[in-house]
Amino acid sequence: AQSVTQLGSHVSVSEGALVLLRCNYSSSVPPYLFWYVQYPNQGLQLLLKYTSAATLVKGINGFEAEFKKSETSFHLTKPSAHMSDAAEYFCAVRVYSTLTFGKGTMLLVSP
Amino acid sequence: DTEVTQTPKHLVMGMTNKKSLKCEQHMGHRAMYWYKQKAKKPPELMFVYSYEKLSINESVPSRFSPECPNSSLLNLHLHALQPEDSALYLCASSQGLAGVTYNEQFFGPGTRLTVL
Repeated sequence: AQSVTQLGSHVSVSEGALVLLRCNYSSSVPPYLFWYVQYPNQGLQLLLKYTSAATLVKGINGFEAEFKKSETSFHLTKPSAHMSDAAEYFCAVRVYSTLTFGKGTMLLVSP
Repeated sequence: DTEVTQTPKHLVMGMTNKKSLKCEQHMGHRAMYWYKQKAKKPPELMFVYSYEKLSINESVPSRFSPECPNSSLLNLHLHALQPEDSALYLCASSQGLAGVTYNEQFFGPGTRLTVL
């Protein structure tokens, strides 16, 4: 069975600072990995996805993630945080037909 | 059109009421999903439809009854709910299930349900 672990339920950064949200996965087969963002009272929006084509994946809003098989990780980064990045971020793994989500990380951005 | 729409946005119902949630997509996707999301938690899968047939039911109580009238539409019928069923209900769609490379899911904005 697959699983996802997101380290840190909350991450606080200052505006302009580096954003790093951690995700580790467990899967018995090569996984497909996703990062979603959820703003308050909204649905989930796909930020980026890993589909085995390239280990460094660029997504929307300046986010990117690197797939590291040896570390079973798929951490999300952004060089410079913006106030509008404050939201809940979910890492997810898909094996076969369903998505398994991590518990989420709330990103707080202070001026 | 790359959008999944859900109606209503908010719903308040009593425990004896019958109501329905509606989800629609026009992306030609053949798989559709219902998720339940409690506050500060990740979405939990409830049902999956593939080619208008129920493919997965994650042991959801019978007071939740899904329906897929056609490939673009997904309903969730609600009856005799409990206060603990109050949550954000999310609909999603994807190209398909197995056999599609990465099977990205597109989510709707959700229906905020309150059961009194």
